[in-house]
Amino acid sequence: GENVEQHPSTLSVQEGDSAVIKCTYSDSASNYFPWYKQELGKRPQLIIDIRSNVGEKKDQRIAVTLNKTAKHFSLHITETQPEDSAVYFCAASIRGGSEKLVFGKGTKLTVNP
Amino acid sequence: NAGVMQNPRHLVRRRGQEARLRCSPMKGHSHVYWYRQLPEEGLKFMVYLQKENIIDESGMPKERFSAEFPKEGPSILRIQQVVRGDSAAYFCASSPPLAGADTQYFGPGTRLTVL
Repeated sequence: GENVEQHPSTLSVQEGDSAVIKCTYSDSASNYFPWYKQELGKRPQLIIDIRSNVGEKKDQRIAVTLNKTAKHFSLHITETQPEDSAVYFCAASIRGGSEKLVFGKGTKLTVNP
Repeated sequence: NAGVMQNPRHLVRRRGQEARLRCSPMKGHSHVYWYRQLPEEGLKFMVYLQKENIIDESGMPKERFSAEFPKEGPSILRIQQVVRGDSAAYFCASSPPLAGADTQYFGPGTRLTVL
């Protein structure tokens, strides 16, 4: 079955710096890759997603890149702010297939003022 | 448009009791997924349901756990004879009735504590 690895597990940056979180997946049939942000005690919230027919997607300070050949995808946050501090999860699924999301173990991002 | 609703938000049970967790999907959504999150860990898929059908239960423990999504009413995740290892946050998510799951929206979760 699908396996998603996520790195790093913790990341600390200064306010205004960029943060990059990387994930790799094992199942070449995976074609949908969302990223979720989870604040302590709260629900996971979708922040951006990408489908396998696209190599990059941007939404203001957030971008995601996908390399299908290497089976990895990355989240880029620019001009980080303290409110970006949270745990970020990547996930992979097969749309039109099993549909379930397989999550990475998460990255705890701390943005220091 | 209300989001995904879950209740209760917190549930305390003693070992051996039953736990019932409820999930009402977003309006217009007919696909429901249940995930479990242990402390300091990611979310693990448990089961995927559509109205009156279990589509994929590959993540469900073989014993004590069951799920349903009836024609009317919320989806229910039922855990019988709970043990301490069942303590976790249980999230449900819903998505629209499209071919292919598309975006899953999560509820606030039920935090189950087994004493």
